[in-house]
Amino acid sequence: ILMTQSPPTLSVSPGDRATLSCRASQSVGNNVAWYQQKPGQAPRLLIYGASTRATDVPARFSGGGSGTEFTLTISSLQSEDFAVYYCQQYNNWPFMYTFGQGTKLEIK
Amino acid sequence: EVQLVESGGGLVQPGGSLRLSCATSGFTFSSFWMHWVRQDPEKGLVWVSRINGDGTSTNFADSVKGRFTISRDNAKNTLYLQMNSLSVDDTAMYFCARERIVVSPPDARLDYFFDHWGQGALVTVSS
Repeated sequence: ILMTQSPPTLSVSPGDRATLSCRASQSVGNNVAWYQQKPGQAPRLLIYGASTRATDVPARFSGGGSGTEFTLTISSLQSEDFAVYYCQQYNNWPFMYTFGQGTKLEIK
Repeated sequence: EVQLVESGGGLVQPGGSLRLSCATSGFTFSSFWMHWVRQDPEKGLVWVSRINGDGTSTNFADSVKGRFTISRDNAKNTLYLQMNSLSVDDTAMYFCARERIVVSPPDARLDYFFDHWGQGALVTVSS
C-alpha cells in the first residue's frame, strides 16, 4: 500500500488554516496516523485512527477521512506548527507500516 | 516518563556490521511490541523491523530480511538491532519506537501507531 501526501510543501501564514492531504493506494479503513517532525527531532504522534488526537495534542489539530482519502487540518497556525508532517498506515496482513513522503509546512 | 534512547550508530564500511541499542524506561517494556524505523532524505521514513513483547515473534522489511536481526532483553529493558552485510543504501537515521494498540469505538476496531520514539542513531555506510 502506498501513501501519497500532497502538497509536498505548503506555505501558510501564521493564524491561517492549513489542510494537508494523504491518499492511500487502496482502502486502509481508519488505520491512519499523523506525525509531526521538527529538524533534529524524532516524529511526534498527533493523530491515530484517522481522527483521534493523541495525548497533549492541541485541539487546533484535527484529522479526518476514511478508506483512501485522509486530511490533517490545523485550524490556526502557531509558530511552533511549522514542521514536516507524515501520514502512516498500518496493514495487518501482510504486516506493514507505510509512511507518506511528508508535507513540509512553511511560513508564508 | 517514557524514554527511549538509541546508541551504537556510527560509520561503517560496506559489508560491515553494527549493532544498535535502544534503552527504555518509564513503562513495562515487556508488554509492548517494539519497532525500528529508519529515515533518509530520499526514501523518508521506512519501517524496518518489529518484535513482540517476549521476543518470540519478529518481522522485517524485505530490504533488510536476512541481514538484520531484532532482539530484546526484557531484564535490561533494551531493544537491539543487529545489522550485517551493510550497504550504502542502509545509511540512515535509525529510530526505535514503541507500538501502541488501542481499541477504538464505536466498532471496537484496533488502531496501531507509534506513540513514543527515540531521538535516533545515525548509521553511515561508506568506504
